[in-house]
Amino acid sequence: KAGVTQTPRYLIKTRGQQVTLSCSPISGHRSVSWYQQTPGQGLQFLFEYFSETQRNKGNFPGRFSGRQFSNSRSEMNVSTLELGDSALYLCASSLSTGNDGYTFGSGTRLTVV
Amino acid sequence: LAKTTQPISMDSYEGQEVNITCSHNNIATNDYITWYQQFPSQGPRFIIQGYKTKVTNEVASLFIPADRKSSTLSLPRVSLSDTAVYYCLVGLFNKFYFGSGTKLNVKP
Repeated sequence: KAGVTQTPRYLIKTRGQQVTLSCSPISGHRSVSWYQQTPGQGLQFLFEYFSETQRNKGNFPGRFSGRQFSNSRSEMNVSTLELGDSALYLCASSLSTGNDGYTFGSGTRLTVV
Repeated sequence: LAKTTQPISMDSYEGQEVNITCSHNNIATNDYITWYQQFPSQGPRFIIQGYKTKVTNEVASLFIPADRKSSTLSLPRVSLSDTAVYYCLVGLFNKFYFGSGTKLNVKP
């Protein structure tokens, strides 16, 4: 069966712009979580969506937002990009909420210049 | 915050058993402890998950003491393909925290 699909794989944006990343979970998985991975901070939890509702949120500024659609697909948006937002953004899906055993996508590599 | 601590790196030889410990002194009492493996340019891959005592699957074992302040991932008879970064993941107050990762280097 198909895994978690993230698009695009690579993205280059300029400071101040905004960006939208997309994630298609495994069929049947209703929970989608987003993580940011950087060499300095490691893997950090952004937020989790379940049945179109944000269930949990990490300690990121309001510039980071997301949503989930009725088919469980999710998007993540970052507005007013900063150089420090350069990172690998990972999407993970699971059957239910919480630390339930994620299946991760390969990520979107965002570079802010 | 749930502070998680892992060794930065470990070396091993093929065929040996490897134990990686994650210390997490403040985690949710009702949440799982999960371990992931990550190769370069890929997302983390689920290895094993447990709540308490010992869990074993076809690739690893997970040992969790009664106080749940640590967990130990045990990889039996590692091979070169097990060279990767290993992370623990815990939860607290509906937020989730990865450890900083342990880079395992398996030598021939």
